[in-house]
Amino acid sequence: GQQLNQSPQSMFIQEGEDVSMNCTSSSIFNTWLWYKQDPGEGPVLLIALYKAGELTSNGRLTAQFGITRKDSFLNISASIPSDVGIYFCAYSGAGSYQLTFGKGTKLSVIP
Amino acid sequence: NAGVTQTPKFQVLKTGQSMTLQCAQDMNHNSMYWYRQDPGMGLRLIYYSASEGTTDKGEVPNGYNVSRLNKREFSLRLESAAPSQTSVYFCASSSIGTGDYEQYFGPGTRLTVT
Repeated sequence: GQQLNQSPQSMFIQEGEDVSMNCTSSSIFNTWLWYKQDPGEGPVLLIALYKAGELTSNGRLTAQFGITRKDSFLNISASIPSDVGIYFCAYSGAGSYQLTFGKGTKLSVIP
Repeated sequence: NAGVTQTPKFQVLKTGQSMTLQCAQDMNHNSMYWYRQDPGMGLRLIYYSASEGTTDKGEVPNGYNVSRLNKREFSLRLESAAPSQTSVYFCASSSIGTGDYEQYFGPGTRLTVT
């Protein structure tokens, strides 16, 4: 089956630091999405990527669709306490609108 | 717009009891989904409905049934709850057919089966 690895599993950072997380797969995908989940809430879409090599920003967040179509990266610059939460990547394969989610990266920000 | 709404927010069941989780969206989306989230497992697809009148199994459908009542509403039923179904359940919707894969989630239902 398709393997999707999201790393790191968790991170503790100081407020103001930059953060980087990534997802890698064993297969090629058409779409990468990044979501954030606050405690007790549903996931909220941050960034959607549709083309290999695409680099998209949303405020302090930047995500890239890897050129091989097997990976994606999410960077957060100058972290703040409200960045705390779990970040999920998700992919969609060819001909499918179903999403498969990574297991998440839990981010903690130390003030 | 309320987006995706789910009821109830919390529920405790005894083993063997049944219940239905309700989901509604007001974004005129044609596709709807049910996921479960367990610690360390991410979100796993239970069932989905690509359009009104159709439903299909996802990754973990055993023990569940669904009904796409109309374009707005998609319910998830547990006929005989088991402790293994203790989880947080999320409903989502999207507008497929436009090249848009983005799914929008409700706030979740936290279910405990004792």
